[in-house]
Formats: sequence, C-alpha cells, structure tokens
Amino acid sequence: KAGVTQTPRYLIKTRGQQVTLSCSPISGHRSVSWYQQTPGQGLQFLFEYFSETQRNKGNFPGRFSGRQFSNSRSEMNVSTLELGDSALYLCASSAWTGAGNTIYFGEGSWLTVV
Amino acid sequence: QKEVEQNSGPLSVPEGAIASLNCTYSDRGSQSFFWYRQYSGKSPELIMSIYSNGDKEDGRFTAQLNKASQYVSLLIRDSQPSDSATYLCAVNRENYGGSQGNLIFGKGTKLSVKP
Repeated sequence: KAGVTQTPRYLIKTRGQQVTLSCSPISGHRSVSWYQQTPGQGLQFLFEYFSETQRNKGNFPGRFSGRQFSNSRSEMNVSTLELGDSALYLCASSAWTGAGNTIYFGEGSWLTVV
Repeated sequence: QKEVEQNSGPLSVPEGAIASLNCTYSDRGSQSFFWYRQYSGKSPELIMSIYSNGDKEDGRFTAQLNKASQYVSLLIRDSQPSDSATYLCAVNRENYGGSQGNLIFGKGTKLSVKP
C-alpha cells in the first residue's frame, strides 16, 4: 500500500516568488493536513482539508493557502516567499480506525528560500 | 504555558535498557495521543496512537495514557542503537471519523542508545 506522497522533495526559491507543493494521501484517506517544521518552532499546523473543504486552520498568514481536489490530492501554496519560510513542509493523511484517527506523514518537501 | 511539553534531552540509555519518554499536555479536552519517531533529515514516523486511559503495547513499545494527570509516556524495551532518534509527542482535540483535526506537537526528546 503506497504511503503519503509529496512532490517536489527539494526546492530552492528566491524571496518574493511563490511555490506550490503537492500531496497525494494514502488511498482511501480523505483528510489531508499540512505542517511546517523548523528547528526553532518545531512542527506547526498549517491547515486541514476534508472532502475538499478547509476544516481547520493554524496561525499562519494569508500567504499560506491550500486546496483539495475531488480525488483527495491536496496542494499548498506560499506566495511572496520570505527567508523565514525555509522549512520542511509535511503533509499528513488520516483514516478512522474505529478507535481513533491514525495520522501518517509523507516524506516532506524541503523548501529553501534565498 | 506550553501546550505539549517534553524533556528535550538528550536521553542516553545503554543498549538493551528501557528508555522512558514523557509528555504532558495542557488541554483537558485532548482526545487522541500519538508518538512519532523522527530520524535526522527524515519525516515523522508513527509509532503508537492511544485514545483511552491505560497502557497499549506494540512489540517493544508501550504507550501509557493518564488523562487525569494529563500525561502520556512511551516506554521502549530492549533499546537498540537504531532507536536513536527524536521522539515527538502529539495530541489532538479531535477524535471522530473523518476530520483528523490538528495535531499539537511537543518539541521532541532526543534519544541516544549507546552500544
């Protein structure tokens, strides 16, 4: 069974540019969340999508946005990149097990802003 | 007050020993609890999830949850050098089918298992 797939894995962008990251959840999973991980702040929640609707949103500026498609694949976009946006961006998908949601992460997209 | 707190470590244990990792959380409404292992330069890997008070065992790993004390722990028996990693505790206010909500992570405990 394939895991959570994220593309691209590594990318370098210049300040002011925008970037789009893609995530394909585990087959059958309808909930996709995005997280940012930096050495200083740790793992922080960006937003969650379920059935193409944003269900939850973290405390990030409006430059961070996302969407989910009918096949559950999700994209996140960061506009007007800043140096501080350099981070590992992680996508997670989840499924209900009967007892609770089990949440799995993809390998992540490493973004460097120069 | 931090929402999820973990001792940053490093926690050093000899090979074959029991490693004990602890986590406290502030939100009494938290419903689901997770332990992830993260190797340097890699993404978090789910080790255990626990939703009700008590112990849950999976191989060498045991998660313990005490909602009254707002405390969750992970025991690793027969620790191996390959267990050396950062262990992240995460809690979630949500626990119902469908939406996974948002995980609140601790900063992680770095574990080092010495041969």
